[in-house]
Amino acid sequence: AQSVTQLGSHVSVSEGALVLLRCNYSSSVPPYLFWYVQYPNQGLQLLLKYTTGATLVKGINGFEAEFKKSETSFHLTKPSAHMSDAAEYFCAVSDMAGGYNKLIFGAGTRLAVHP
Amino acid sequence: NAGVTQTPKFRVLKTGQSMTLLCAQDMNHEYMYWYRQDPGMGLRLIHYSVGEGTTAKGEVPDGYNVSRLKKQNFLLGLESAAPSQTSVYFCASSSRGARSSSYNSPLHFGNGTRLTVT
Repeated sequence: AQSVTQLGSHVSVSEGALVLLRCNYSSSVPPYLFWYVQYPNQGLQLLLKYTTGATLVKGINGFEAEFKKSETSFHLTKPSAHMSDAAEYFCAVSDMAGGYNKLIFGAGTRLAVHP
Repeated sequence: NAGVTQTPKFRVLKTGQSMTLLCAQDMNHEYMYWYRQDPGMGLRLIHYSVGEGTTAKGEVPDGYNVSRLKKQNFLLGLESAAPSQTSVYFCASSSRGARSSSYNSPLHFGNGTRLTVT
């Protein structure tokens, strides 16, 4: 079965610093991978997704992620953090067990951005 | 376009009480899902539906029931609430194309229902 591990439940960066949120996956088939963001008291919003093709995926708000099959990783990065990036971030993998599409989520990483 | 709407937003129940959470989507999506979110555990799938009249169990289905009588609505029921069901519940929906394209259909989430069982 597919699974996702996010390294670090809390990450804190300074405004303007690099953001790196780590995600490793386990999948018995070529994976489809997603990053979602959750702002306080809201549902999750899709940041970006990897399906096939280019391994560097660009998303909204300046975020990007690189699919590395050899490392089974899909880390999320942003060159320069902004205060508005403070949120919880979830990595997810598509699971087709049972014949139907579902998403399996990691435990989440809470990003804090300080001045 | 409202997207995915969940009602109620907040609820407090006593142990043993029952309630139904309603999810409505106006995007004509085939797939609908109920997740619960607990600190340090991310989102876990409770039940899901691949179309009107169909439901299936997810990772943590015990203590919950669901119904999908209309395509746009997906109901989550708790027959006898327990403190372990204190959580934030999220409904989501996604479109269904060909099997290959359904892999990458993003989920559209509601804003959640915060449930406390005392």
